[in-house]
Amino acid sequence: ELKVEQNPLFLSMQEGKNYTIYCNYSTTSDRLYWYRQDPGKSLESLFVLLSNGAVKQEGRLMASLDTKARLSTLHITAAVHDLSATYFCAVDTEYGNKLVFGAGTILRVKS
Amino acid sequence: NAGVTQTPKFQVLKTGQSMTLQCAQDMNHNSMYWYRQDPGMGLRLIYYSASEGTTDKGEVPNGYNVSRLNKREFSLRLESAAPSQTSVYFCASSEVLAAAQYFGPGTRLTVT
Repeated sequence: ELKVEQNPLFLSMQEGKNYTIYCNYSTTSDRLYWYRQDPGKSLESLFVLLSNGAVKQEGRLMASLDTKARLSTLHITAAVHDLSATYFCAVDTEYGNKLVFGAGTILRVKS
Repeated sequence: NAGVTQTPKFQVLKTGQSMTLQCAQDMNHNSMYWYRQDPGMGLRLIYYSASEGTTDKGEVPNGYNVSRLNKREFSLRLESAAPSQTSVYFCASSEVLAAAQYFGPGTRLTVT
């Protein structure tokens, strides 16, 4: 059974600082997704990583995938308040888009 | 484009009642999904439909049924609601398998 673990589960950051969220998963997969959810809202797709070594960047966020280590990272550069949200990683268990989500990382950026 | 729409937004049911959650997408996507979100657990896949005319179970299908009515619409039915089904339900769609999924606004369901 595929398990997806995120850490930390809660992250309080100062504006302007850098930090990394980690997503580990337990079985082989080369398809990993990152989503953002604002409180009381729906999920928004951030990144789709479809191969080993994939790296995607959008603004202050950068995601990478290491399929050999079964690890993805979401790196935040020079955090700003607008990045406060819950971030989920999700892994595809088989080629059917049957995603298994991590529990989510609640990010709070303080000024 | 409205994207993915869901009705209703909120619903309160008594134990044993039935209801259907509706989902529609206007992006001509082939695949559609139903998830539930519970506090501290992320999202869990209930059912999905890879293409019109097909449906398959996800991680937590017990107590639910689905219908892929046509390419646009995918409904989720609770035949006999239980308090354990209190949750926020999200519908999603994707153009093809392995593509990013687009989520609807969610339905907050409470079963008393």
